[in-house]
Amino acid sequence: QLQLQESGPGRVKPSETLSLTCVVSGGSISDSRSYWAWIRQPPGKGLEWIGTIYYTGTSYYNPSLKSRLTISVDTSKNHFSLTLSSVTAADTAVYYCARHNGGLGSIHSWGQGALVTVSS
Amino acid sequence: QSVLTQPPSVSATPGQKVTISCSGSSSNIGKNSVSWCQQFPGTVPRLLIYDNYKRPSGIPDRFSGSKSGTSATLDITGLQAGDEADYYCGAWDTSLSAWVFGGGTQLTVL
Repeated sequence: QLQLQESGPGRVKPSETLSLTCVVSGGSISDSRSYWAWIRQPPGKGLEWIGTIYYTGTSYYNPSLKSRLTISVDTSKNHFSLTLSSVTAADTAVYYCARHNGGLGSIHSWGQGALVTVSS
Repeated sequence: QSVLTQPPSVSATPGQKVTISCSGSSSNIGKNSVSWCQQFPGTVPRLLIYDNYKRPSGIPDRFSGSKSGTSATLDITGLQAGDEADYYCGAWDTSLSAWVFGGGTQLTVL
């Protein structure tokens, strides 16, 4: 049973960098059929796709976040990571890591989510 | 403003059928498969429908999906109080090279 678990600070100060890691267990991040995604949900709002990465490092970013965003993958540790720079209160959200199934298809598996609050 | 358009809310009484629409374009729904997820307040979204109409194991057949052209539909029959949740459609957008979600539809069971 594939499991994903987000980890990282629950609070980040404005203008600083948000960093999260997603550990994949019960499966390999190098599975050729899987792509790995970050998705967020601000309080009381809808889902927003942040970006997706393949185990080779090929990545796709939300155009609205691209200038501040880096997603990376570490196959030796079976995890992938997110860094978002120059954060503001608008970046406060529950951040989910997830898996696309069958290439860049549907999102089949989700982590439990990590609430990140941007506040001084 | 979401790339995929859903009604903000729908409602129906128990036992009835409800339909949630998802409208896109030729670069997303028109070209790629649609999926739907369900989210109860404070919980993780769960996949309901993938590849336009397929159900993961454990999803009741009361939930069904379809796609026609640049639009997709989620139907829920035999509505139950426990179906009250938010529903999101999603698809890959080939032109944007991005996954796009609908804005979400809140289902109320009256």
